[in-house]
Amino acid sequence: GAGVSQSPSNKVTEKGKDVELRCDPISGHTALYWYRQSLGQGLEFLIYFQGNSAPDKSGLPSDRFSAERTGGSVSTLTIQRTQQEDSAVYLCASSWGPTNEKLFFGSGTQLSVL
Amino acid sequence: GENVEQHPSTLSVQEGDSAVIKCTYSDSASNYFPWYKQELGKGPQLIIDIRSNVGEKKDQRIAVTLNKTAKHFSLHITETQPEDSAVYFCAANNAGGTSYGKLTFGQGTILTVHP
Repeated sequence: GAGVSQSPSNKVTEKGKDVELRCDPISGHTALYWYRQSLGQGLEFLIYFQGNSAPDKSGLPSDRFSAERTGGSVSTLTIQRTQQEDSAVYLCASSWGPTNEKLFFGSGTQLSVL
Repeated sequence: GENVEQHPSTLSVQEGDSAVIKCTYSDSASNYFPWYKQELGKGPQLIIDIRSNVGEKKDQRIAVTLNKTAKHFSLHITETQPEDSAVYFCAANNAGGTSYGKLTFGQGTILTVHP
């Protein structure tokens, strides 16, 4: 595609519900990242995929957070039993490969947990 | 791990003036320093980057300088225009032997350019 696509653009959920956020990277980009942007914490790294494997999950804040990537393309970030502190913008980025640090970001999913 | 501090948090300039944003980093092993521009409702967009083997890089009205000894780097925007108004983020990679896009970001600078 022309750019990194994320859906939904906005998600409002109730505390305790599960949510799934989707990312469609730029075609041909093998590396995919999830970052979180919140007022208090700025931009934080969550997880890195190279192909379908995730060699670095060190930024996931708790075991309620998980992510997968299938077919080396689309990725889904799942947050189980959402909490109010999970409210943030979740940004996906992709790059050409593992040694390419130039990230192309999507517009993000604004998650609001009520 | 890496820690990146960014100043100022807000910056207001008149059109045509220059703007400078400064960042410091903590990990001397970091070797890649990008700058991102984020407009309202959009994701960050890479505008310029520099590696630790050079001291300065320029692209039209924007430039970045790096002082490895002092562990700080700066973004310079000359002849500012209203469309430069946005939030700017500096970042540093988490080297430690890796070279992928795991970045530590500064807290951001809200730049406002008044016509």
